[in-house]
Amino acid sequence: AQSVTQLGSHVSVSEGALVLLRCNYSSSVPPYLFWYVQYPNQGLQLLLKYTTGATLVKGINGFEAEFKKSETSFHLTKPSAHMSDAAEYFCAVTFNSGYSTLTFGKGTMLLVSP
Amino acid sequence: ETGVTQSPTHLIKTRGQQVTLRCSSQSGHNTVSWYQQALGQGPQFIFQYYREEENGRGNFPPRFSGLQFPNYSSELNVNALELDDSALYLCASSPGTSNNSPLHFGNGTRLTVT
Repeated sequence: AQSVTQLGSHVSVSEGALVLLRCNYSSSVPPYLFWYVQYPNQGLQLLLKYTTGATLVKGINGFEAEFKKSETSFHLTKPSAHMSDAAEYFCAVTFNSGYSTLTFGKGTMLLVSP
Repeated sequence: ETGVTQSPTHLIKTRGQQVTLRCSSQSGHNTVSWYQQALGQGPQFIFQYYREEENGRGNFPPRFSGLQFPNYSSELNVNALELDDSALYLCASSPGTSNNSPLHFGNGTRLTVT
């Protein structure tokens, strides 16, 4: 069965600091990987996705993630945090199951202090 | 283009009652998926509808059912509500069932069961 583990339910950074949100997955077949962001009282917005090809994926708002098959990881980074980045971030995985269902991690709340 | 819209935004029901949640898919999207997000958790897949038929289902009991209409809008019905059904229910549409098709989420319906 596929699963996603996000290390750290909360991550705190200062404005301008590096953001690193960790995601590991378990899979016996090549996965498709996603990062979504959720602002309070809103749905999920796609930040970026990895399907095939280049393992370093760039997304919106300056975020990027690198797929590392040997480590079964897909960590999300941003060089310099902004106050507006404060939100909950979800890593998700899917496989070629015939329908586009996602398995989500439990989420990481990013807190940004001035 | 019009995004995914869900109604109502909030709902309070009593244990044992029935509820219907509604979702209008994004223009051009023929696939609708429903997710349940309990407090502090990531979204969990309930089921997906494609061309008015259920195309996949997660680990949810039969009292969770759905419909998709010719205009691709969808309903989620939950019978015999239980306290644990209290959650944010998210609808997501996509332009197909391929795993390459990113899901576009609505803002959700917050259901409280008392």
